[in-house]
Amino acid sequence: SQQGEEDPQALSIQEGENATMNCSYKTSINNLQWYRQNSGRGLVHLILIRSNEREKHSGRLRVTLDTSKKSSSLLITASRAADTASYFCATGRPGFGNEKLTFGTGTRLTIIP
Amino acid sequence: DTAVSQTPKYLVTQMGNDKSIKCEQNLGHDTMYWYKQDSKKFLKIMFSYNNKELIINETVPNRFSPKSPDKAHLNLHINSLELGDSAVYFCASSHLTGNYGYTFGSGTRLTVV
Repeated sequence: SQQGEEDPQALSIQEGENATMNCSYKTSINNLQWYRQNSGRGLVHLILIRSNEREKHSGRLRVTLDTSKKSSSLLITASRAADTASYFCATGRPGFGNEKLTFGTGTRLTIIP
Repeated sequence: DTAVSQTPKYLVTQMGNDKSIKCEQNLGHDTMYWYKQDSKKFLKIMFSYNNKELIINETVPNRFSPKSPDKAHLNLHINSLELGDSAVYFCASSHLTGNYGYTFGSGTRLTVV
């Protein structure tokens, strides 16, 4: 069964506002990653958070991880039109290498200019 | 200087045909992957190869045969194509160990008619 589920499935906000997406997963993880996919393109790795980390920042991105709740959130601050894309979380299994990432269902983010 | 390149970008073919998709990475990664993204944007692992050796085969029909001539190349051959094979196929690469994200190719949109 699918490991991760993103919430909401779709999100529309005004440019300049903050966007928050959530990811829930079912089993223990080694790390959790977020990817962006623009329409018709491949996925781009945004940020990785290890299972022993609680928060991580990269530019306008902030990721939190709560392993007790098996959930993560991705916050994009001061959104721009170029942030319009689908965002996916992905998890790696503990005790294994990176041989398999399990992806969530994705959140479709639309930034309204 | 494309990091992960896959060809062709589009592939339209009739049921029953055999087709191949090629993938190459110039990142020095030791592990390569094939993922399938369906019409609902759900991404699922198909195969993982580490240093030319198959390490993950995720219950993919044996009509799909990956081949890795060296660690920089991973090709996907599909025999007797079916309508249900229509999807976008993504190649990716990463290091196997350590906390690393994947680098994805731009995808091959396969349409079986």
